[in-house]
Amino acid sequence: EAGVTQSPTHLIKTRGQQATLRCSPISGHTSVYWYQQALGLGLQFLLWYDEGEERNRGNFPPRFSGRQFPNYSSELNVNALELEDSALYLCASSFPAGGLNEQFFGPGTRLTVL
Amino acid sequence: GIQVEQSPPDLILQEGANSTLRCNFSDSVNNLQWFHQNPWGQLINLFYIPSGTKQNGRLSATTVATERYSLLYISSSQTTDSGVYFCAVNTGFQKLVFGTGTRLLVSP
Repeated sequence: EAGVTQSPTHLIKTRGQQATLRCSPISGHTSVYWYQQALGLGLQFLLWYDEGEERNRGNFPPRFSGRQFPNYSSELNVNALELEDSALYLCASSFPAGGLNEQFFGPGTRLTVL
Repeated sequence: GIQVEQSPPDLILQEGANSTLRCNFSDSVNNLQWFHQNPWGQLINLFYIPSGTKQNGRLSATTVATERYSLLYISSSQTTDSGVYFCAVNTGFQKLVFGTGTRLLVSP
């Protein structure tokens, strides 16, 4: 069974640009989560999507947004990039959220903002 | 919000040694997961353990939810066990709150 996949592996942007990160969940999983791991700040929850809807959002500005497609894959968009957005972005998926199910993570996208 | 603290922050072991990593959390949780982050950044699931004890090979974990802590045991450590270990808790609303991590280095 294929795990969570993410693309691209690495992404280099300049300040002010937009970045788009993609995630495909494990087959059968309908919930997708995004987390940010910035140097010195640990792993922080960004967004949760389930059945195409945003269900919960972490303490991040509106420049961070995303969506979930009918096939349950997801996109994270970061607008007006700032230097401090440089981080490892991890996507996770789980079975439908009602049961507080185990989350499984992808390999991540490393975003560098110059 | 909930606080999740891990100890020790850093641990250096000789190959073959045993270790215990601790995760303390400040409020009730619905579930708890342990992860190993490899050098490339990927989080590998070790245990999903809201309560009780589980074992998987050389690793085992115990969560005592009423006392708000969890322990991860690594026996007969190997160099491939090196990396950062995180616990993460879910208090509802589906977001995982991660601990501060324990950085483990196993030397040959």
